[in-house]
Amino acid sequence: GAGVSQSPRYKVAKRGQDVALRCDPISGHVSLFWYQQALGQGPEFLTYFQNEAQLDKSGLPSDRFFAERPEGSVSTLKIQRTQQEDSAVYLCASSLVVQGPFLGNTIYFGEGSWLTVV
Amino acid sequence: QKEVEQDPGPLSVPEGAIVSLNCTYSNSAFQYFMWYRQYSRKGPELLMYTYSSGNKEDGRFTAQVDKSSKYISLFIRDSQPSDSATYLCAMSARNTNAGKSTFGDGTTLTVKP
Repeated sequence: GAGVSQSPRYKVAKRGQDVALRCDPISGHVSLFWYQQALGQGPEFLTYFQNEAQLDKSGLPSDRFFAERPEGSVSTLKIQRTQQEDSAVYLCASSLVVQGPFLGNTIYFGEGSWLTVV
Repeated sequence: QKEVEQDPGPLSVPEGAIVSLNCTYSNSAFQYFMWYRQYSRKGPELLMYTYSSGNKEDGRFTAQVDKSSKYISLFIRDSQPSDSATYLCAMSARNTNAGKSTFGDGTTLTVKP
């Protein structure tokens, strides 16, 4: 596709509800990242995939958060039993190559999924 | 205390002004420094990146890194209303996955016509 596509753009969930956020990376991009951006703050890393392999999930805040990328393209971030502190924008990003130390390979962000837990 | 601190703003300037955006950091391992621009309700987009100390210029934008002071800046010359956005600095260490960069909290800039 032309860019990283995320859906839904906006989601209101009742506390305790499970949500699933979808990310369609740019076609052919090997690396995929998920971030959480709270209001007025910068993005915080959640997890990283290289193709279908989840190589780093150190940023996931609790075991209620789960991400997958089963075929190495589309990824889903799932949040179980949502809580109010989960309210944030969830950003997905992809890049063409394997990301090691910064090589100037651009990371492309989607527009985010805005989650509000009420 | 956060590893990366950014002037919170908001910053409002008239069109044509020179804008200075700044970040300080505490982790001496950071060697790659990035600036992202984020328009309202959009994802961040990479503006510039630099490695280690020095200056880098790209059109109206200049990125400056002073590792001895742990201080980085982004200068925007001849600012335009289209530059109105939130600017995020980000940094990563030499052997860290670039997607795992540490971001500042952003400075919101408004350029008034």
